[in-house]
Amino acid sequence: AQSVTQPDIHITVSEGASLELRCNYSYGATPYLFWYVQSPGQGLQLLLKYFSGDTLVQGIKGFEAEFKRSQSSFNLRKPSVHWSDAAEYFCAVSHGSGNTGKLIFGQGTTLQVKP
Amino acid sequence: EAGVAQSPRYKIIEKRQSVAFWCNPISGHATLYWYQQILGQGPKLLIQFQNNGVVDDSQLPKDRFSAERLKGVDSTLKIQPAKLEDSAVYLCASSLDTDLTDQFFGPGTRLTVL
Repeated sequence: AQSVTQPDIHITVSEGASLELRCNYSYGATPYLFWYVQSPGQGLQLLLKYFSGDTLVQGIKGFEAEFKRSQSSFNLRKPSVHWSDAAEYFCAVSHGSGNTGKLIFGQGTTLQVKP
Repeated sequence: EAGVAQSPRYKIIEKRQSVAFWCNPISGHATLYWYQQILGQGPKLLIQFQNNGVVDDSQLPKDRFSAERLKGVDSTLKIQPAKLEDSAVYLCASSLDTDLTDQFFGPGTRLTVL
């Protein structure tokens, strides 16, 4: 069965510092991979996605993620964090071929930004 | 373009009562999803509609949960009777279709069962 693991439940970084949020997935074939952000009281917003091709994908708000098949990982990065990036981040996976669109989410990583 | 609308935003009920949530997807989106997000966890799919047909309801507790999308647009999710463990945020999402299309999420309904 597909699964997604986000090893870090909570991360604190200083404003201006770099950020990396980890995501590992379990899936037999090439998955579709996503990162979403959820601010308090808000719905989930798609940051970026990987379907195929270039393994380094760029997203909104200055985020990027790299797909590494050998490590079954899809880590999210940002070179310089802003206070407004404080939120909860979810990695998700979906089926490849015959995709029904169903997303399987990790348990999330809460990002706190120190001034 | 208007986003996914959900109501109510908050609901508090006692166990064994019933409750209903409403979702209006983005205009033209054929696929609609209901997710349950328990505190501290990621969202979990409850049911997926393609137009007014059910694509996946494998994780819907059918003894107490029901959902419909009669005209292929709006959808309602009902819980009857509610249990304490149903306390969660219920998220509705929609997409143009199923394959390779982005899901847009509503703000959610936060349910507290006392």
